[in-house]
Amino acid sequence: DAGVIQSPRHEVTEMGQEVTLRCKPISGHDYLFWYRQTMMRGLELLIYFNNNVPIDDSGMPEDRFSAKMPNASFSTLKIQPSEPRDSAVYFCASSTTSGGPTDTQYFGPGTRLTVL
Amino acid sequence: QKEVEQNSGPLSVPEGAIASLNCTYSDRGSQSFFWYRQYSGKSPELIMSIYSNGDKEDGRFTAQLNKASQYVSLLIRDSQPSDSATYLCAVNMNTDKLIFGTGTRLQVFP
Repeated sequence: DAGVIQSPRHEVTEMGQEVTLRCKPISGHDYLFWYRQTMMRGLELLIYFNNNVPIDDSGMPEDRFSAKMPNASFSTLKIQPSEPRDSAVYFCASSTTSGGPTDTQYFGPGTRLTVL
Repeated sequence: QKEVEQNSGPLSVPEGAIASLNCTYSDRGSQSFFWYRQYSGKSPELIMSIYSNGDKEDGRFTAQLNKASQYVSLLIRDSQPSDSATYLCAVNMNTDKLIFGTGTRLQVFP
């Protein structure tokens, strides 16, 4: 059974360029989460979706960040324009709730973004 | 005050000893609690979840929850060098999202 799939695994870009990160959640999961992890700030939730609808984007740092989930099997996180301080590991996670609080979140392998 | 607090460590224990990792949280109404393990350069993976006061055991791992004290801990018995990783405490505070602590780095030396 495939886990959460993210692409690319590594991205190196120059300041000002557009970056698009991709995620395929586990089939049947109805929640999708985008996180950013840095040494200084740890693991931060950026945005999450339920049934493809954005529920909470309060963690999105700036208008330069946007996320979409056009269908149940695909989501993107876009940064435009990118800045060096956006350098981090970006994780996508998915989960399913069955009548209760958020269930176990399964994380993808992450995308290591470096903005020069 | 941070919502979920952990000692960053490193916590160093000898092989075969018990490692005790601690976490406190701010929201008294929190209902579910998770421990994730993250090896260097890898993604977090769930190792334990706990929902009720008391202890929950799974192999060498025991999670302990005390809601009155707003405290959750993870004990690792017979620690192995392969347990060396960062352990993240995560709390669901009656929403659909988890709040993560910054993690405790555990080092198990032979």
